[in-house]
Amino acid sequence: AQSVTQLGSHVSVSEGALVLLRCNYSSSVPPYLFWYVQYPNQGLQLLLKYTSAATLVKGINGFEAEFKKSETSFHLTKPSAHMSDAAEYFCAVSFSGGYQKVTFGTGTKLQVIP
Amino acid sequence: DSGVTQTPKHLITATGQRVTLRCSPRSGDLSVYWYQQSLDQGLQFLIQYYNGEERAKGNILERFSAQQFPDLHSELNLSSLELGDSALYFCASSVAQGVNTEAFFGQGTRLTVV
Repeated sequence: AQSVTQLGSHVSVSEGALVLLRCNYSSSVPPYLFWYVQYPNQGLQLLLKYTSAATLVKGINGFEAEFKKSETSFHLTKPSAHMSDAAEYFCAVSFSGGYQKVTFGTGTKLQVIP
Repeated sequence: DSGVTQTPKHLITATGQRVTLRCSPRSGDLSVYWYQQSLDQGLQFLIQYYNGEERAKGNILERFSAQQFPDLHSELNLSSLELGDSALYFCASSVAQGVNTEAFFGQGTRLTVV
């Protein structure tokens, strides 16, 4: 069964500091991997998606993630945090099919300290 | 704005009651997914419809049902409500069914059962 683990349910960074949100997946086949962001009282918005093309995926709002097969990881990074980045971030994995087969992580709440 | 509209935004009801949540997908999207987000279970897939037909079922209780109408809007019916059904219910839509297409999420309906 596919699964995804997000390390750290809460992460705090200072404004301007590096953002690093960790995600590891379990898989025996190449996965599709996603990062979603959820702002308060909003639905999920796709930040970026890995679909076996380039291992370094660039997304919206300056975020990027690198697929590392050897580490089964897909960590999300942003060089410089903005106050507007404060939200909850979800890593998700799928090995086939449609969004009914996507498994979401438990989420990481990012706090940005001014 | 994702283009997916969910109504109502908030719903408070008593145990044992029945409610209907409504979702209007983005224009042109044929696939609709329903998810439940709760503190203890995280984001769980409930059910998917594609062009009016049920295509996949996830962790959906027998007390819950859904349908997609000819105009492609969808309704999720929750009956014999229990306190544990309190959650945020999301609808998402996509043009096709595969994860190569992006799914867009609505803002959700927050259901509180008292």
